[in-house]
Amino acid sequence: SQQGEEDPQALSIQEGENATMNCSYKTSINNLQWYRQNSGRGLVHLILIRSNEREKHSGRLRVTLDTSKKSSSLLITASRAADTASYFCATDPSVAGGTSYGKLTFGQGTILTVHP
Amino acid sequence: EAGVTQSPTHLIKTRGQQVTLRCSPISGHTSVYWYQQALGLGLQFLLWYDEGEERNRGNFPPRFSGRQFPNYSSELNVNALELEDSALYLCASSLERGGGADTQYFGPGTRLTVL
Repeated sequence: SQQGEEDPQALSIQEGENATMNCSYKTSINNLQWYRQNSGRGLVHLILIRSNEREKHSGRLRVTLDTSKKSSSLLITASRAADTASYFCATDPSVAGGTSYGKLTFGQGTILTVHP
Repeated sequence: EAGVTQSPTHLIKTRGQQVTLRCSPISGHTSVYWYQQALGLGLQFLLWYDEGEERNRGNFPPRFSGRQFPNYSSELNVNALELEDSALYLCASSLERGGGADTQYFGPGTRLTVL
């Protein structure tokens, strides 16, 4: 079963606009990661945020994490046509500082389409 | 630095056959993970190998198995293929330093079609 739920399932915007995707999860986590997938190919790692962090930036990406609400958001600013892809959040349910389970649990993803 | 590599890229098999998928991790990574991405089911964790040992297994039948070699590369074997095994199989690698999974870097995947 999927741990994360992404919202919205699909998002269509124009180039230059911002795109916000949300992820909710059910259990306590050690960290949360965001990935991008182009056309059913491999996943590209975007950003990892640990359970003791609230916000992280990487270029045009901004990720927030609210562990009290068990939710995260990914903001892509000034979007480009090349950002068109599926975006997944993935949670690591391992207890921080404890035994790692190794597995990531993925949400169903948000399909982002950026029109030129 | 080379990323995670997987072979073959595509594979077509018939029901009942057996298949072996291969994965080479990023140099220096000791952990290898396998995931299945089937239509409508999303990405599902299959197996985790670290230092040659199976560390964790997802909710898959025993006909899904694998191993990790001394050079940390890995194989995923699927016996008695069923139609629902058709999927993209993704391999990932990471530095496993304990205390929680580190960033997992994914390969391009192997697309398996079972007829």
